[in-house]
Formats: sequence, C-alpha cells, structure tokens
Amino acid sequence: AAGVIQSPRHLIKEKRETATLKCYPIPRHDTVYWYQQGPGQDPQFLISFYEKMQSDKGSIPDRFSAQQFSDYHSELNMSSLELGDSALYFCASSFWGSGAQYFGPGTRLTVL
Amino acid sequence: KQEVTQIPAALSVPEGENLVLNCSFTDSAIYNLQWFRQDPGKGLTSLLLIQSSQREQTSGRLNASLDKSSGRSTLYIAASQPGDSATYLCAVRPSTGFQKLVFGTGTRLLVSP
Repeated sequence: AAGVIQSPRHLIKEKRETATLKCYPIPRHDTVYWYQQGPGQDPQFLISFYEKMQSDKGSIPDRFSAQQFSDYHSELNMSSLELGDSALYFCASSFWGSGAQYFGPGTRLTVL
Repeated sequence: KQEVTQIPAALSVPEGENLVLNCSFTDSAIYNLQWFRQDPGKGLTSLLLIQSSQREQTSGRLNASLDKSSGRSTLYIAASQPGDSATYLCAVRPSTGFQKLVFGTGTRLLVSP
C-alpha cells in the first residue's frame, strides 16, 4: 500500500540558510499535518491543512511557513535556520474526520 | 491544555513475556487515541486506533484498551519478541475541533532474547 512520502530524507544546512521540506500524502487523503521531533523528545504539532486551507496551527515559528497544493502535496519552508531547528520533521496524512493519521519516514534536518 | 503521560519510561523484559504499557491523559474530551511504534531515528508506525466510543482494539499480539472517563489507555503486548524492541508512543486527538495529535513521552521497550 502507498505510504506518505517525504523528501529529502536528510538535509544539512548552515545557520541562517533556508530549507524546503516536501510531503506527498497517501492517495485520496485530503489532510496533511507537520510535526517536529527534537532529539529525545516526543513529536510536536506544527501545522495542518485540509483541502489546501490551513486547518490548525501549533507551535510553528514565524520563520516557518507551509502550504498545501492542488495535488495535495505540502511543503514546509523554513528560513533563517537556527541550531535549535535541528530535528526530525514528520508529515502525516489522513482523511478529514476519519481519525487515523499515517506518518511518513521523516526528514532529518541538521543545522550547522 | 491536554497532557499525555506514559509509564514506564523504559522497560526491559525477556523474550516471551506479556507486558502492559500505560498511557494517561488529563482531558477526557478526546476524539480518538492512537498507539505508535518508533524505531530509533525512524518514522512512526501506527499500531492501533481507538475511537472515543470504543473500549478496545486488537491487532495480532497487540491489544489496546481505552477508558476515556478515567483518562487511561493500555497497550498489551502478548508473547513479546526481540523485534518488538522500540519506543511506543500514544497520542490523543482532542475533540475540540482541532486535528492535531498530542503525544505522550513514550515507553522505550527492550526485549532480550
């Protein structure tokens, strides 16, 4: 069965650089979520989209922005990167209201 | 604010044992609860989803129960195997109209051969 696809899987950036993470949801899923997991921490919700509209917002820094496109894929844009942004970034998808969220393999971002 | 706690934080058992992982949440107004497995540095694999109206769900050697009124869920793993070694996370979805998951702190399980 098709799963959530994330690219790139690994990303190394310097401080103050920008990064773009991409997420391709499971086919026919209409909702996408982004989570950040720091070292040794549980995942923290960043933002979600339903039918290309932002549906919920968590602890996402103002330096980050995201959107969902007409083909339902989503991109997380991160600017002015800081050392503390180093983390695993997960994308998840679901049908709106169905409950179960399915996670991608994550993008490991390292900021040097 | 919803808070999710998992006990124990770490567990080490010999192969073949049956074990119980605990998850508690402070706000009983939830839409559902999901149990995940995470291998080191890897993604989250959904194990079981329990809707708020359900009491338990089963998948193979896994059984998850939910007592919403008391804010508790348990994940029962029967006949544990070394391949079960991973971190297990529970996550609740609040029923207040938001879709985010609130994760627990996880239980790190090690099953020895």
